[in-house]
Amino acid sequence: SYELTQSPSVSLFPGETARISCSGDALPIQFAFWYQQKAGRAPVLLIYKDTERPSGVPERFSGSISGTTATLTISGVRAEDEADYYCQSSPDSTSRFYLFGPGTKVTVL
Amino acid sequence: EFQLVQSGTEVKKPGESLKISCKGSGYTFTKYWIGWVRQRPGKGLEWMGIVHPSDSDSRYSPSFQGQVTVSADKSINTAFLQWSTLKASDTAIYYCASGEYPNWFESWGQGTLVTVSS
Repeated sequence: SYELTQSPSVSLFPGETARISCSGDALPIQFAFWYQQKAGRAPVLLIYKDTERPSGVPERFSGSISGTTATLTISGVRAEDEADYYCQSSPDSTSRFYLFGPGTKVTVL
Repeated sequence: EFQLVQSGTEVKKPGESLKISCKGSGYTFTKYWIGWVRQRPGKGLEWMGIVHPSDSDSRYSPSFQGQVTVSADKSINTAFLQWSTLKASDTAIYYCASGEYPNWFESWGQGTLVTVSS
């Protein structure tokens, strides 16, 4: 069955740049979406259609795609960015369901 | 204001049935898909299924097909997630979420905690 894979965790200091990857064979033809979930809170949409940022999401969050890997970049990470980050996509163009990656825990030291 | 408000915490026994709800307000309910996401304690997000309130078109993850039912009642702007036979492994927080397209969620509810224990 189709899976999305993410690195389990990233630790960095304030001001550094975090790059969170999401790999999946269908990502060249299926959009990736990114969500942030802080402890005890509901998820929030960060990036849609690989690179688009909803209004209200800070500019330090950006998305990119290269082949089978989508990347969420946090430029100049802040303490408030400590959270779990999930990618979401679809196995193929005919599937009628979608799935999340396992999530990446970002810790700000 | 676009808002999804979910029903409250549930404590059930294995074998019981359950229906939880998600009420939309501040937008045209029939224009947006509503989906459900499971999060077991200390675990990640799991996409369960989605329904379009205008025609009740529904889609399920293979992992949840036949295990749950998603539905919507457009007359009361409310979506539902239903189990006929709960198991202890159904213990989780369940989020509803909405989007104009089925492949991503723009807004999320606050979550409903379901505990299944004998």
